[in-house]
Amino acid sequence: AQSVTQPDIHITVSEGASLELRCNYSYGATPYLFWYVQSPGQGLQLLLKYFSGDTLVQGIKGFEAEFKRSQSSFNLRKPSVHWSDAAEYFCAVEDRGSTLGRLYFGRGTQLTVWP
Amino acid sequence: DAGVIQSPRHEVTEMGQEVTLRCKPISGHNSLFWYRQTMMRGLELLIYFNNNVPIDDSGMPEDRFSAKMPNASFSTLKIQPSEPRDSAVYFCASSRSSGVAYEQYFGPGTRLTVT
Repeated sequence: AQSVTQPDIHITVSEGASLELRCNYSYGATPYLFWYVQSPGQGLQLLLKYFSGDTLVQGIKGFEAEFKRSQSSFNLRKPSVHWSDAAEYFCAVEDRGSTLGRLYFGRGTQLTVWP
Repeated sequence: DAGVIQSPRHEVTEMGQEVTLRCKPISGHNSLFWYRQTMMRGLELLIYFNNNVPIDDSGMPEDRFSAKMPNASFSTLKIQPSEPRDSAVYFCASSRSSGVAYEQYFGPGTRLTVT
């Protein structure tokens, strides 16, 4: 069965610092990969997604993620964090062979940004 | 497009009462997902539909929970009778699943408080 691990429950960074949020998945083949962000009191919003091709994908709000097949990882990065990036971040995978659209989510990483 | 619409946004009810949560997916989407989010358990998939047919309801906590999708533009999640432990934020999401891995779009959620 698919599983998604986000090893960091909570990360704190200073504004302007770089950020990397980790995500590892367990799956028999390369799945489709997603990062979502949830601001307080809101639903989840897609940041970026990987289907195929270039393993470095760009998303909204200056985020990027890199797919590494050898490490089964899809880590999210941002070179300079803004206070408005404080939110919870979810990594998700989808079975490449599925036509149902089901996503498997990690437990999330809560990001706190210090001014 | 208006996005996924959920109603009500907030619901406060007493234990033992029936609660009905509503969702209107994005037009053209053929998969619909109900999630529950709590601090303790994180984001949980309760049930999902594809082409109005329930595919997997293994996440429904118990028989007090039921969900329907009578047509492509409407779904309900019902809790009867409600209990304080049902207090959570309930999200509806939809996607245009077709084997090409479209992302899920989330509604703003319904915050349910059972007293």
